[in-house]
Amino acid sequence: KAGVTQTPRYLIKTRGQQVTLSCSPISGHRSVSWYQQTPGQGLQFLFEYFSETQRNKGNFPGRFSGRQFSNSRSEMNVSTLELGDSALYLCASSERATNEKLFFGSGTQLSVL
Amino acid sequence: DQQVKQNSPSLSVQEGRISILNCDYTNSMFDYFLWYKKYPAEGPTFLISISSIKDKNEDGRFTVFLNKSAKHLSLHIVPSQPGDSAVYFCAASGSADKLIFGTGTRLQVFP
Repeated sequence: KAGVTQTPRYLIKTRGQQVTLSCSPISGHRSVSWYQQTPGQGLQFLFEYFSETQRNKGNFPGRFSGRQFSNSRSEMNVSTLELGDSALYLCASSERATNEKLFFGSGTQLSVL
Repeated sequence: DQQVKQNSPSLSVQEGRISILNCDYTNSMFDYFLWYKKYPAEGPTFLISISSIKDKNEDGRFTVFLNKSAKHLSLHIVPSQPGDSAVYFCAASGSADKLIFGTGTRLQVFP
């Protein structure tokens, strides 16, 4: 099976712009989670989708949003970008939503200038 | 509030010796714990997990220990190899909930 695929790998934006990141989960996986990784902060949970429904949400401002499509592919959007949004954004998938290991993609490195 | 804590940002160990990475958690509802390994420019990869009904789980060179009363888990790598050099994250979850990750420990294994 192909792994979790995230596009693009790298992205450079300027403050105030918006960005959309894409994630294709492992075939058959219905749960997709998004995490933000910044130096010293570990992996911060953004949100999790299961069968097109957001089931969990982290403590991020409303500028961060996401959605999941019927084929389980997911997108996350960040509007009105700030310098502090520069980070590695990781997508992970699993068969179900609870108490099981996540399979991560390689991430999208976002730089906000 | 950091529910999963890795208090050592870095660890340096000689090849062949034991590496011990530690993790503490605060939420007594956590019942599933995992360790992930991450190389630069790659996503984290699953290493080993343990359920709260156990206190030890072993997989080759990797062993995870869970002390529920102390809310502490540790990952032992024996023997350590240069290829083990990476950032290690511990993670925890409760039923029907998301995985919460620690801040990571950078392990360097030197010859």
